[in-house]
This record gives sequence, C-alpha cells and structure tokens, in this order.
Amino acid sequence: DQQVKQNSPSLSVQEGRISILNCDYTNSMFDYFLWYKKYPAEGPTFLISISSIKDKNEDGRFTVFLNKSAKHLSLHIVPSQPGDSAVYFCAASGTGANSKLTFGKGITLSVRP
Amino acid sequence: DTEVTQTPKHLVMGMTNKKSLKCEQHMGHRAMYWYKQKAKKPPELMFVYSYEKLSINESVPSRFSPECPNSSLLNLHLHALQPEDSALYLCASSLTSGRANEQFFGPGTRLTVL
Repeated sequence: DQQVKQNSPSLSVQEGRISILNCDYTNSMFDYFLWYKKYPAEGPTFLISISSIKDKNEDGRFTVFLNKSAKHLSLHIVPSQPGDSAVYFCAASGTGANSKLTFGKGITLSVRP
Repeated sequence: DTEVTQTPKHLVMGMTNKKSLKCEQHMGHRAMYWYKQKAKKPPELMFVYSYEKLSINESVPSRFSPECPNSSLLNLHLHALQPEDSALYLCASSLTSGRANEQFFGPGTRLTVL
C-alpha cells in the first residue's frame, strides 16, 4: 500500500516558468514532509521541508505548500532553471512507528532551455 | 563538514565474495541509515542505527550485515549476494532518528553482483 503518492511520473516545463510538483499521502499520522532532489548516480539531496503546523514554507526559488485536509502537498519552483532537471522525491514521516521516512516514487522534471 | 561520504563509488562482486561498504559523516549526527535503491524506484530503508545501536532492521536478508563502529562510521558487510541485490546503496544520517529530522544522503555505492 503506497502511503506517499506522486502520480505523475514526469513533468516538462520551459525555463523561467513555474514547475509544480504534486504529492499526496494517505497516512494521517504523517506530520512532517520533505522534498528531495536526485541527479542520476548521486544520492538524494534535501531541498525543503514543512511541518504539519504550517501550510507554506519558502526557501529561495522553492516553496512547499501543504493542504492537510486534502492530504496533499506541492513543490513550486519559480523560476525553473535547466539545472533543476532531476528526479524529485516527496517523503513523509510521523511519530513512533511512522517516524521513518516514507518516499514517493519520484517525478522526473525536465526544464527546457 | 556537511556531507556524508561513501566508499567505494562502484563495486562489482561475485556471488561468493565478501565485501564491505563504508559510510562516514562528521556532522555530529546520531542516527545513520542504509537504503537500497533500484532504478526508477524510491530509496528503500534497510537499517537504522540510533546512538550506535541497531534500532530498525526492515527484514533484510542476513547476507547483509550492518555495523556501526562509532558515531561517525557505518559499514554494510556483504556476503553471498544474489544478482538481484545489484542496486545503488545509499547511506544517510540525521541529527536523531525521530521525526522532523532531515536525512542527509551520501552519493551511494553502485553495486553489481555477477
């Protein structure tokens, strides 16, 4: 049973435009959410996180939005740059037995010059 | 120092070999993790060490044997692996193993079992 879902396997956007990457979760015990970026043959790199007590967290070009009632979060990248082309993983954790990170399957973002 | 290092970067081994993967961090993190990642799949948790003690073993076969000699080092000993064990093995660390702790990943070891 997939508890973190990234339903779109890929996204292509023009350089300079906004990239919106979506993530849904089913486990209501999750209260901390993270986005990781991964280039081929490298380990995932932490990008940004958000706690369930917030609905938005911003860091430079990256903003994560959390809608708890919909169990949905999204990562906005503005403006998108060719160097942003990578696989993006959404991950979630909670307390106790849910404290380990649960990853989505990832979405491949391609930013066209 | 804000990175996790892993050696070797690539490893090719036969099914009868014994080899070890190494991971090191100097961020003062007290939790360290081993993940396995297959192509086009998310990282899959194998083991968690918290304060140098094994706290989670995700039902990993005994041909994978983790070891945490001290708070900065994590090893994964490999013996009698199968070709399906070929994957990218990732080490990660975080301040503690509780929630709301960002995990920092190393670059991984690309393992091929022949």
